[in-house]
Parts: sequence; C-alpha cells; structure tokens
Amino acid sequence: AQSVTQLGSHVSVSEGALVLLRCNYSSSVPPYLFWYVQYPNQGLQLLLKYTSAATLVKGINGFEAEFKKSETSFHLTKPSAHMSDAAEYFCAVSDGDSNYQLIWGAGTKLIIKP
Amino acid sequence: DGGITQSPKYLFRKEGQNVTLSCEQNLNHDAMYWYRQDPGQGLRLIYYSQIVNDFQKGDIAEGYSVSREKKESFPLTVTSAQKNPTAFYLCASSMGRQGDGYTFGSGTRLTVV
Repeated sequence: AQSVTQLGSHVSVSEGALVLLRCNYSSSVPPYLFWYVQYPNQGLQLLLKYTSAATLVKGINGFEAEFKKSETSFHLTKPSAHMSDAAEYFCAVSDGDSNYQLIWGAGTKLIIKP
Repeated sequence: DGGITQSPKYLFRKEGQNVTLSCEQNLNHDAMYWYRQDPGQGLRLIYYSQIVNDFQKGDIAEGYSVSREKKESFPLTVTSAQKNPTAFYLCASSMGRQGDGYTFGSGTRLTVV
C-alpha cells in the first residue's frame, strides 16, 4: 500500500533562510506526487505536482521540489523564507494502486521566525 | 470562475442533532471527497464519490452520511451517532484521472455546543 511520510510535524526557520520540508513516499508503481499548502482556517491549495515530465518541479510562491526515485523522496524547498510562508504543508501521492486517489502525509507546520 | 463552495463556514450543533454541510462544485469534476481535520491529525477521509449516485466509505465513515444525487453536489450529514463531531471539515473534487490533483473548498468548522 502506498504511504507518505513527512519528517517533522513542525519546522522552524528564520526569515530569509532556506526552507526544506521533507517527504518520502512508498509506491510500487511510478507515482504522481503533490505538495499542498494550508493557511489557518482555509482549504488546501496546490503548490506543485510531479507527473514524470521533469524531476525538478517549480510551483507557486517560489517553492520547488525535486523527485528522487532512488531515495523515494520529493522534498519541498524555497531559497528564502518569508513571513507569509507560515502555514501547514501536506505531501500526497497517487498511483494506479490507489485508483489515483491521493494518499496524504500527516503535514508539516512551517514556522517563520522574524 | 470555477470552484468549490462549502457552506456554512461556521456551524454550531447541539448534542443529539443532525446537521448537514453543503459542498457544491462547478468544475465539472466527477469525483468528490469529504475529509475531517483535527489538530495534529492531518486529513482523514470520511466518504468519497467517483460518480453520481454512488459513494464509498472512507476511513472514518461511522456517524456520517452522504448523498450524490447531482454531479455538482455532495452534502455531508453529521448524525447524532457521531460522538465527537467538533472538527474542521473539508470537501474536495477532482476529475479522478491519473495525475489529477484535488481542488478544495474553504472548509466548514463544526462545533458542538
């Protein structure tokens, strides 16, 4: 069965520092991978997705993620954190085994220190 | 603009009452989903529907019911059998094809008073 592991329920970085949010997945077939962002009391918004076209995927708000098959990872990065990046981030995977439903990670809350 | 609308944004329920949360989409999506979100517990799937007049239980369906009479609408009823209904509820939709992500509504916060 597919699964997604997000390392760290909370990640704290200083404003202007590198943001790195980790996501590892398990899948028996080539996966589709997603990152979503959720601001307080709002729904989730798609940041970016990997669909096998390119291993480095650029998303909105300056975020990007790199698919590494050998490491079964899809970590999310942003070179310089901004206060407005404070939110919860969810990684998700889908493949044919899940009938293309999304399997979700537990989420990582990103805290930005001034 | 196409999107997915949840209403109301805030809902209060007395003990023993059933309440219905609305979810409407105009994206022409086939699949719709209901999730429950509690602090620190991520997203838990309640029910999903891949086609009109058909739906399946998710991981935490007990105490909830749904209907899918129209493609655009997927209301969720929280019944009195749900003993701890206070939570944030999210509705989502997708085309249901490989590589498709989900589009989410803005959520309904349900509180038992």
